[in-house]
Amino acid sequence: DVKVTQSSRYLVKRTGEKVFLECVQDMDHENMFWYRQDPGLGLRLIYFSYDVKMKEKGDIPEGYSVSREKKERFSLILESASTNQTSMYLCASSSETDRATNYGYTFGSGTRLTVV
Amino acid sequence: SQELEQSPQSLIVQEGKNLTINCTSSKTLYGLYWYKQKYGEGLIFLMMLQKGGEEKSHEKITAKLDEKKQQSSLHITASQPSHAGIYLCGAHATLISGNTPLVFGKGTRLSVIA
Repeated sequence: DVKVTQSSRYLVKRTGEKVFLECVQDMDHENMFWYRQDPGLGLRLIYFSYDVKMKEKGDIPEGYSVSREKKERFSLILESASTNQTSMYLCASSSETDRATNYGYTFGSGTRLTVV
Repeated sequence: SQELEQSPQSLIVQEGKNLTINCTSSKTLYGLYWYKQKYGEGLIFLMMLQKGGEEKSHEKITAKLDEKKQQSSLHITASQPSHAGIYLCGAHATLISGNTPLVFGKGTRLSVIA
């Protein structure tokens, strides 16, 4: 069964900490995405990546950075965590082949981050 | 930028009843995806509609795409507790680039009561 695995389901971090959220996919997908999901705001795109070492800003990149050193791994970094970054973070992956066959994105189970 | 508006925002139905969720795009739709999310979990792909007038079914869930109205509807027949969750629609902003990220509606929260 193909998977997108997010390293943690729940995280609690302190304000000012540097936080790493890890995402690994085993489908050899070119594209990977980080969204955050908040009540009333839906899913908002933070960053995405078309290929290794490539990254593109999404709609709300401020306060975040990403790293994609290997095709299967896409890391989201909160440089200095703040309380307004408390949210559900969702990682997804896709490929052009998936779009052609209408499979869309494959999502991880999410990481619920609380910053105190 | 493209926006997807879902209605209703939330829905409570009695088990066995039918229901419809709508997703309306502010721009031309180049395919429309429906996902389901159980509370606190990731999104599960339900189906994708690509052509105007297209209709697809998955178990008791049917989705249709009306390109002229830039709208898709998701219909659940004889709802069950297992249908409870958040339903989200998603669409690519353009047809040409498959790498254009999906934008999503804010979701419709469905509760099914006995």
